[in-house]
Amino acid sequence: GQNIDQPTEMTATEGAIVQINCTYQTSGFNGLFWYQQHAGEAPTFLSYNVLDGLEEKGRFSSFLSRSKGYSYLLLKELQMKDSASYLCASMDSNYQLIWGAGTKLIIKP
Amino acid sequence: ETGVTQTPRHLVMGMTNKKSLKCEQHLGHNAMYWYKQSAKKPLELMFVYNFKEQTENNSVPSRFSPECPNSSHLFLHLHTLQPEDSALYLCASSTGGLAGGGYNEQFFGPGTRLTVL
Repeated sequence: GQNIDQPTEMTATEGAIVQINCTYQTSGFNGLFWYQQHAGEAPTFLSYNVLDGLEEKGRFSSFLSRSKGYSYLLLKELQMKDSASYLCASMDSNYQLIWGAGTKLIIKP
Repeated sequence: ETGVTQTPRHLVMGMTNKKSLKCEQHLGHNAMYWYKQSAKKPLELMFVYNFKEQTENNSVPSRFSPECPNSSHLFLHLHTLQPEDSALYLCASSTGGLAGGGYNEQFFGPGTRLTVL
């Protein structure tokens, strides 16, 4: 079956670094997406990885290991506005996204 | 209007009512999606339309009926819903899997918060 696992909730301190992990098992693989969703709002795109390695985009970086079925999202210099849910999604062989349940990130002052 | 819009933003309905959700995308995309989002659960893909043709129906009960009159508009018609159908319903659009060369970033609307009494 298809499955995406990520932690339900994480807590971090303002200014710190946090890593949100995601493991995936899908029928075929065409890339791994990370989305951010603030409470009551639409998910918004953060990153896309299809090759192994680290993609850096400002304070956010995303890593992929296809052999391990593993990705992480790294957030640096955390700000209060980073409090949100972070959704991991794997694109399967039919180019459909298989979603994880999301990780709720709580930032404390 | 820009991006993906959805109306209404909030909807309360009884189990015997009939209502419709509307989605419109202003991005020139060819694929549109309906998702159901329940608390602490993964996004559930309900329906996919590519170039106005339905290409995916993930075993959704018949009380949910989609309609896609053109590539920019998508409707979800609701009738005789159950309380467990209460959720956030999200619409999304993308260039389409193959047409987009595999890069299939989906753009989401703000959602309709549905409560079934």
